[in-house]
Amino acid sequence: GAVVSQHPSRVICKSGTSVKIECRSLDFQATTMFWYRQFPKQSLMLMATSNEGSKATYEQGVEKDKFLINHASLTLSTLTVTSAHPEDSSFYICSAVTRDSYNEQFFGPGTRLTVL
Amino acid sequence: AQSVTQLGSHVSVSEGALVLLRCNYSSSVPPYLFWYVQYPNQGLQLLLKYTSAATLVKGINGFEAEFKKSETSFHLTKPSAHMSDAAEYFCAVSLTGANSKLTFGKGITLSVRP
Repeated sequence: GAVVSQHPSRVICKSGTSVKIECRSLDFQATTMFWYRQFPKQSLMLMATSNEGSKATYEQGVEKDKFLINHASLTLSTLTVTSAHPEDSSFYICSAVTRDSYNEQFFGPGTRLTVL
Repeated sequence: AQSVTQLGSHVSVSEGALVLLRCNYSSSVPPYLFWYVQYPNQGLQLLLKYTSAATLVKGINGFEAEFKKSETSFHLTKPSAHMSDAAEYFCAVSLTGANSKLTFGKGITLSVRP
């Protein structure tokens, strides 16, 4: 089956620093990747949609300059949380689709970000 | 626009008992519907999906769901709960398939008592 990995799985950083999270499709080419944010005991909220080779489309209320998304290749998308603050602490999950997987998104295992 | 309502936040059943997790949707067009399971500190795993074919959908781990247009529902059931079913369950809707935006419900925690 299609596998999506995320790195790192956990990261703790100081307030004001930037953190980069990688999302990789291991055995398929991902034409589109999605980035979600999940607060404890809550649902997933879509942050942005990332298409290879083009700018990400952000959901309303998500700060583009705060959450930088780059989809440089068909197997890699990165989310950079710039100048992180404690309120950015959350569980970040990516997912990926291929041209042929119109009935399924493949989810990564998530990254737990803690900002001190 | 589309939305998903999952009533209640926690369901507790005894091992061997019926599992019923409710999901109601709102969609301006015929929807694609999904159920996902999430174990602690992990990503989401697809349980089953409705894509306008059969209204009764069978998924993995003995789960199934029935699409009822008249009730705008897509409830998830399993005849006999197992301890390993304890997890968080999310219902999700999409307008054009899983390759587009998924809108999730708030999720339901399933506990299974021995």
